[in-house]
Amino acid sequence: QKEVEQDPGPLSVPEGAIVSLNCTYSNSAFQYFMWYRQYSRKGPELLMYTYSSGNKEDGRFTAQVDKSSKYISLFIRDSQPSDSATYLCAMSGPGNTPLVFGKGTRLSVIA
Amino acid sequence: EAGVAQSPRYKIIEKRQSVAFWCNPISGHATLYWYQQILGQGPKLLIQFQNNGVVDDSQLPKDRFSAERLKGVDSTLKIQPAKLEDSAVYLCASNYANTGELFFGEGSRLTVL
Repeated sequence: QKEVEQDPGPLSVPEGAIVSLNCTYSNSAFQYFMWYRQYSRKGPELLMYTYSSGNKEDGRFTAQVDKSSKYISLFIRDSQPSDSATYLCAMSGPGNTPLVFGKGTRLSVIA
Repeated sequence: EAGVAQSPRYKIIEKRQSVAFWCNPISGHATLYWYQQILGQGPKLLIQFQNNGVVDDSQLPKDRFSAERLKGVDSTLKIQPAKLEDSAVYLCASNYANTGELFFGEGSRLTVL
């Protein structure tokens, strides 16, 4: 079993739709949970950062972490064509332990 | 604030040749990482430096890959000899010690023919 599992998609939705992206993980030591967005031929950029369980909202984006189920989600409301990118979940344990990434989900938002 | 700089952006080589990638992290960032991202996959850690010391190189194929971070600033990743399966994007990232947020460069795309 991989440490972090993420459905690679691709996922195609119409503009304005609500998008749900998910990851599961197996390492119970993970405490920091992140979502990165990666446009084609660019490096990943941090979108959302959550510590431990709970929800975090930033504009159209909401990140949820359920440590009891080892499951994290990213919701995008009112999706826009500019949201078309690959979304990578990433997580790490305590201290300066390195991030472990999922495979990424490729999202296309169609105008 | 300047971001993480990487060069070259693209490199095409024949198998068994050598290649080197350079990274300049964000000023003041003590921790530097090299990740390998194969097409359709998430980034995989190759090596992590804290200042100029190696913290984690457990996934670095040491028979062909080497990396150094002289003076705790710039870093170089070398592959010698290259194999076809080394075709990937090599991402450099940096952060302050003990924080989760990584800042990535745009990557160096390697094609091995």
